[in-house]
Amino acid sequence: EAGVTQSPTHLIKTRGQQATLRCSPISGHTSVYWYQQALGLGLQFLLWYDEGEERNRGNFPPRFSGRQFPNYSSELNVNALELEDSALYLCASSLGNSNQPQHFGDGTRLSIL
Amino acid sequence: AQSVTQPDIHITVSEGASLELRCNYSYGATPYLFWYVQSPGQGLQLLLKYFSGDTLVQGIKGFEAEFKRSQSSFNLRKPSVHWSDAAEYFCAVGGSGTYKYIFGTGTRLKVLA
Repeated sequence: EAGVTQSPTHLIKTRGQQATLRCSPISGHTSVYWYQQALGLGLQFLLWYDEGEERNRGNFPPRFSGRQFPNYSSELNVNALELEDSALYLCASSLGNSNQPQHFGDGTRLSIL
Repeated sequence: AQSVTQPDIHITVSEGASLELRCNYSYGATPYLFWYVQSPGQGLQLLLKYFSGDTLVQGIKGFEAEFKRSQSSFNLRKPSVHWSDAAEYFCAVGGSGTYKYIFGTGTRLKVLA
């Protein structure tokens, strides 16, 4: 069984640009989660999608947005990139509902120059 | 307020020594508890989970955790640490019927040869 896959592995952008990160969940999983892991700041919850709808959102500005497609894959979009957006962005998937363990991809390393 | 606290940011142990990583939670609903491990540059891997029943749960890589409701704790233990256990460890709590899943800030484990 394929795990959670994220693309690209690395992404280099400059300030003000826009970035799109992609995530494919484990087959059968309906929930997708996005996290930001910046150096020294731990794991920060960004977004939770389930069955195509946004279910929960962390304390991030609106320029962080995303969507979930009918096949349950997901995109995270970050607009007007700032230097502090440099981080590892992790995607996870689960069977839905918060009583299920999450399965993580290896992340996308976003670097802002 | 719902929260997960991992009081120890860093822990250093010698190889072969025992290990205990602390986790305390505050969660209004019935908690579902998880421990994850993250090796450098990778995503998080599930070590073990507690839903109900026996309060001592066994996980992968020789880890175990004990749920103590009276202390709101879910501490992770290993009798004999191996150098390959050096990583960051995250405690998390979720609940049935909610869209809240909370991670602790992590404990970074260093293992001395």
